[in-house]
Amino acid sequence: GQSLEQPSEVTAVEGAIVQINCTYQTSGFYGLSWYQQHDGGAPTFLSYNALDGLEETGRFSSFLSRSDSYGYLLLQELQMKDSASYFCAVGSNTDKLIFGTGTRLQVFP
Amino acid sequence: DTAVSQTPKYLVTQMGNDKSIKCEQNLGHDTMYWYKQDSKKFLKIMFSYNNKELIINETVPNRFSPKSPDKAHLNLHINSLELGDSAVYFCASSQSREADTQYFGPGTRLTVL
Repeated sequence: GQSLEQPSEVTAVEGAIVQINCTYQTSGFYGLSWYQQHDGGAPTFLSYNALDGLEETGRFSSFLSRSDSYGYLLLQELQMKDSASYFCAVGSNTDKLIFGTGTRLQVFP
Repeated sequence: DTAVSQTPKYLVTQMGNDKSIKCEQNLGHDTMYWYKQDSKKFLKIMFSYNNKELIINETVPNRFSPKSPDKAHLNLHINSLELGDSAVYFCASSQSREADTQYFGPGTRLTVL
């Protein structure tokens, strides 16, 4: 089967750096995605890693290690508006994304 | 321009009723999805269509019936609504069935009384 694990909650202060880890188990792995969802909002795509290494998009970076079945999302220079839930999701040859249970990030002033 | 739109945004109804949710995407994508997000925010795929063809049908009660009249539209009809159907339903689309990047609609919050 497929499964993902990520922490349920992370807290940090404005301006800090936070890392949200995700470990997964799947066969036919294609890639690892990250989505952000604010309360009452829709999931929005942040990043996608198909190959090992770091992908950087502004203040957000995402890392993948296929051999370790592990990835993380790194958020730098945290802002209050970054308070949201963050989901990792695994894509595979089943043509579907399997989402993790989400990590709620709370940013404090 | 809204990329993926859903109607209605809120739906409150009685048990036993039948209701529909509509979804449209103007991104020219080939693949569309329905997800259910429960109160614990767990996001689970229900159905997927690729060019109007059903490609994913998870273990969903047959009271739920998707329909894709064309590749830009995917509707969800629910018969005999139950309390446990209360959730937020999201439509999403992706360029192809590989599903690596998905664009979500704003969601439909369904409350069954």
